[in-house]
Amino acid sequence: SQELEQSPQSLIVQEGKNLTINCTSSKTLYGLYWYKQKYGEGLIFLMMLQKGGEEKSHEKITAKLDEKKQQSSLHITASQPSHAGIYLCGALNAGNMLTFGGGTRLMVKP
Amino acid sequence: DAGITQSPRYKITETGRQVTLMCHQTWSHSYMFWYRQDLGHGLRLIYYSAAADITDKGEVSDGYVVSRSKTENFPLTLESATRSQTSVYFCASSEWGADYEQYFGPGTRLTVT
Repeated sequence: SQELEQSPQSLIVQEGKNLTINCTSSKTLYGLYWYKQKYGEGLIFLMMLQKGGEEKSHEKITAKLDEKKQQSSLHITASQPSHAGIYLCGALNAGNMLTFGGGTRLMVKP
Repeated sequence: DAGITQSPRYKITETGRQVTLMCHQTWSHSYMFWYRQDLGHGLRLIYYSAAADITDKGEVSDGYVVSRSKTENFPLTLESATRSQTSVYFCASSEWGADYEQYFGPGTRLTVT
């Protein structure tokens, strides 16, 4: 079965700093999804990457997909307290359902 | 209000009891999903439904039952709750499938004593 490993598991950064979260798959990626979860709430869709080399941005968050490395990265520029939460990557498995990584907990210190 | 809601938000029950978690969405999305979130395991799919009266098992379906008689509702029942089913349960919906944006409910925190 497909496994997604996220790194780091947790991250504390000073407001204004840049950061990167990685998601590595044990199998070929056919689509990679990034979701954000605020503490105690449900998940919110951030973006979806489908092609190798694809890069998408939304406000200060940029995600890239490296198909060869079976990896995706999520980069936040000039972090703000509103970026705090749990970031989860998801990938389609053989059953066309999403398998999620364990999540990366991000805290941003003001 | 439009959106996806779950009830109850918090539940404490005893081992062996039957518990039903409710999920309701107002968008008429075809697909609905139930996930559980546990430390160390992330988010795992329990059951999903592609349409009313169509349901299928996910990764961790043992001990759970679902039904979908109406498009907007997707209740999840724990037939005989066990401590290992203590978790946070999330319901989600999507218009076209798991490979499209899923909209998540706020979650139900279930504790089985």
